[in-house]
Amino acid sequence: GEDVEQSLFLSVREGDSSVINCTYTDSSSTYLYWYKQEPGAGLQLLTYIFSNMDMKQDQRLTVLLNKKDKHLSLRIADTQTGDSAIYFCVPAGGYNKLIFGAGTRLAVHP
Amino acid sequence: DADVTQTPRNRITKTGKRIMLECSQTKGHDRMYWYRQDPGLGLRLIYYSFDVKDINKGEISDGYSVSRQAQAKFSLSLESAIPNQTALYFCATSVTNENTGELFFGEGSRLTVL
Repeated sequence: GEDVEQSLFLSVREGDSSVINCTYTDSSSTYLYWYKQEPGAGLQLLTYIFSNMDMKQDQRLTVLLNKKDKHLSLRIADTQTGDSAIYFCVPAGGYNKLIFGAGTRLAVHP
Repeated sequence: DADVTQTPRNRITKTGKRIMLECSQTKGHDRMYWYRQDPGLGLRLIYYSFDVKDINKGEISDGYSVSRQAQAKFSLSLESAIPNQTALYFCATSVTNENTGELFFGEGSRLTVL
């Protein structure tokens, strides 16, 4: 089946940049999403990128897509303690077929 | 108030018991989903429904059943709970033809089967 790989943990210092990487196998993905899950809460859409784009910037967030290598990354500039959460890379392959990876737990320390 | 509400939020039960998790939404969305989340495995789709008369199995439907009682309500049942169904369960909604395909999640129902 289709697969998504992410590192399980990332620890950064407050104020530094965080980069969360993801590789996926489904080459038919039209949209690629990043969802955020805060402790004790459900997932919320953070940002997304169309498959025909290489980069998308949204305030402190930068999404990079390398479609050839099936690699997606999320960069968070000036990481804050409120950014501590689990981040899911979610390619959308086919209609409503979202593929969730295990997620990357981001820990932000002083 | 939450747009996607799940009940109960926490439940501890014993092996063999029947359990129902309920989901209701005020978003007016036509599509509803049930996922389970396990540590290290991410979210896996159990069942989904595109409208009241439409029910589809996801990747891990064995041991589960669902009912779409109304557009706003989608319940998940475990007919005879077993310990490996211990997980965090999420209901989600989306709307047909919405460009981003965004899913809106409830806050989750934590189920423990002893």
